[in-house]
Amino acid sequence: QSALTQPASVSGSPGQSITISCTGTSSDVGSYNLVSWYQQHPGKAPKLMIYEGSKRPSGVSNRFSGSKSGNTASLTISGLQAEDEADYYCCSYAGSSTSWVFGGGTKLTVL
Amino acid sequence: EVQLVESGGGLVQPGRSLRLSCAASGFTFDDYAMHWVRQAPGKGLEWVSGISWNSGSIGYADSVKGRFTISRDNAKNSLYLQMNSLRAEDMALYYCAKASIANAFDIWGQGTMVTVSS
Repeated sequence: QSALTQPASVSGSPGQSITISCTGTSSDVGSYNLVSWYQQHPGKAPKLMIYEGSKRPSGVSNRFSGSKSGNTASLTISGLQAEDEADYYCCSYAGSSTSWVFGGGTKLTVL
Repeated sequence: EVQLVESGGGLVQPGRSLRLSCAASGFTFDDYAMHWVRQAPGKGLEWVSGISWNSGSIGYADSVKGRFTISRDNAKNSLYLQMNSLRAEDMALYYCAKASIANAFDIWGQGTMVTVSS
């Protein structure tokens, strides 16, 4: 059960767009359309931002979008705002024996 | 209001046991799978265990397999995690999370802290 690989940090200026990658293997990200993304502000519980790779839950801004190509999933945030500064985690289903695996997390800094 | 409230955390010596509970409200508990996810201080999220709506399917992370047991009581709208043979590396904030129909963790509790230290 190896963690999915995310960049440790990304940054961008207000109004810009950033993309966070999440690289897995053919046993997890590449095999299932079950990648989700979570936003976590300091001292708070994670919040679901994207599910099934590219779908947004009700109430999540359309500035957040997700995609997948092969074994890599991506989260794009457009029109960066100060409130987007947080940690972001990807997660993928990895089969019944392994179940679920998270990425190591990416700290987004809005400059 | 949909809500998950964890309890049962605390300070425990290495090798001892602890049982976490998660009380659910605001949704039909027995319609959904439930999970435990933990976060060590200053670290990332780690999936610990999950259980299907009827307890028919259960999974564990390799790091806790054989030591932790997940269970649920649908009559009490409650999820549990029995943690035995605790190690220093089990020290973390333990979150209870509801699985959505699309198999994402859509509702999270605020977590209960487990500290393993002599």
